[in-house]
Amino acid sequence: AQSVAQPEDQVNVAEGNPLTVKCTYSVSGNPYLFWYVQYPNRGLQFLLKYITGDNLVKGSYGFEAEFNKSQTSFHLKKPSALVSDSALYFCAVSGSNAGNNRKLIWGLGTSLAVNP
Amino acid sequence: ETGVTQSPTHLIKTRGQQVTLRCSSQSGHNTVSWYQQALGQGPQFIFQYYREEENGRGNFPPRFSGLQFPNYSSELNVNALELDDSALYLCASSSTPDRAEQYFGPGTRLTVT
Repeated sequence: AQSVAQPEDQVNVAEGNPLTVKCTYSVSGNPYLFWYVQYPNRGLQFLLKYITGDNLVKGSYGFEAEFNKSQTSFHLKKPSALVSDSALYFCAVSGSNAGNNRKLIWGLGTSLAVNP
Repeated sequence: ETGVTQSPTHLIKTRGQQVTLRCSSQSGHNTVSWYQQALGQGPQFIFQYYREEENGRGNFPPRFSGLQFPNYSSELNVNALELDDSALYLCASSSTPDRAEQYFGPGTRLTVT
């Protein structure tokens, strides 16, 4: 069965420091991987995706993520965190087989707090 | 902001009642997916509509039903509301059914008392 794990409920970083939000996955076939961000009382906003190609994917607001097939991971990173990055981050994955395997499966989310 | 809109923003219903939530998809998008997000949880896939037909369903009972209209807007209907149905209901539109990035509306906060 497909699954996504975000092992950290909360990540705290100081403004200006690099941040990493972790995601590991299990899926049949080649994965499609996504990161979304959710601000309070808002819907989810698309940040970036990995489909194929370069393992380092660049996305919105200076975020990037690295696909690591051997470790089945897709960690979200940013070189220098901003207080405004404080939000809830979700990792999502879908597989490459037919049917519901192609539907997105979501992690439980990681709350990022960037301290001034 | 995405072009996806949802109405109403908030809703309070009583157990046993029925509710209809509405979603207008982003221009050019023919696929709408509905999710339930309970407090402190990630989104749970309810179902997807593609060109007015249901195109996949998650583990939700039949009292959760939907529609998609020719203009690709969509409705989520929930009958016989239960307390556990209290959640944020998110609508997302995409240009294709499969694995495309999805654009979310702001959600409808449903409270069942």
